[in-house]
Amino acid sequence: ENVLTQSPAIMSASLGEKVTMSCRASSSVNYMYWYQQKSDASPKLWIYYTSNLAPGVPARFSGSGSGNSYSLTISSMEGEDAATYYCQQFTSSPYTFGGGTKLEIK
Amino acid sequence: DVQLQESGPDLVKPSQSLSLTCTVTGYSITSGYSWHWIRQFPGNKLEWMGYIHYSGSTNYNPSLKSRISITRDTSKNQFFLQLNSVTTEDTATYYCARQDSSGGTYWGQGTLVTVSA
Repeated sequence: ENVLTQSPAIMSASLGEKVTMSCRASSSVNYMYWYQQKSDASPKLWIYYTSNLAPGVPARFSGSGSGNSYSLTISSMEGEDAATYYCQQFTSSPYTFGGGTKLEIK
Repeated sequence: DVQLQESGPDLVKPSQSLSLTCTVTGYSITSGYSWHWIRQFPGNKLEWMGYIHYSGSTNYNPSLKSRISITRDTSKNQFFLQLNSVTTEDTATYYCARQDSSGGTYWGQGTLVTVSA
């Protein structure tokens, strides 16, 4: 199966700071998907087809990448962005998830 | 607006079967999309379990293939998860989700199932 490795596992950022997190796949994928999860809530689709924002996602978020390496960037950290972010691939079954990056406010 | 709601027992004994229902409102499960089951273990690891396509075909995670079955009742607009021979390692929050044309999935609120004697 295609193993997705997210880094860092935990990070903290100050309000207004630029944030970048990574998702690396053991085998190349066509697209990457990202989800945001806050405590006691289900994961929400955040970015699809690598770089498209799901409805309602603020424009300060962006996604990029290709092949084995993908990233999610927040241009300017806001308090509501504190959450855990997961990547997922649908290129090959089983559709695997990364272990998550927990983003905290510094 | 498409809504998904999981339901089922919150406690299952080891060696028994886990059975969950996902009730879909706002969209017919035979009209389009794929309908998934995903679980999140204590510690937050996510595992994709499988899906049933609107055509009725299924695809399962090979790690579960001998124990899992996903079926549906089109008259009730529901789809189901059955996981056989459960152990304590199957304790998790179980989510149903729909995969739309974006390729991504939209999830229900989830239901915690504990496997314990």
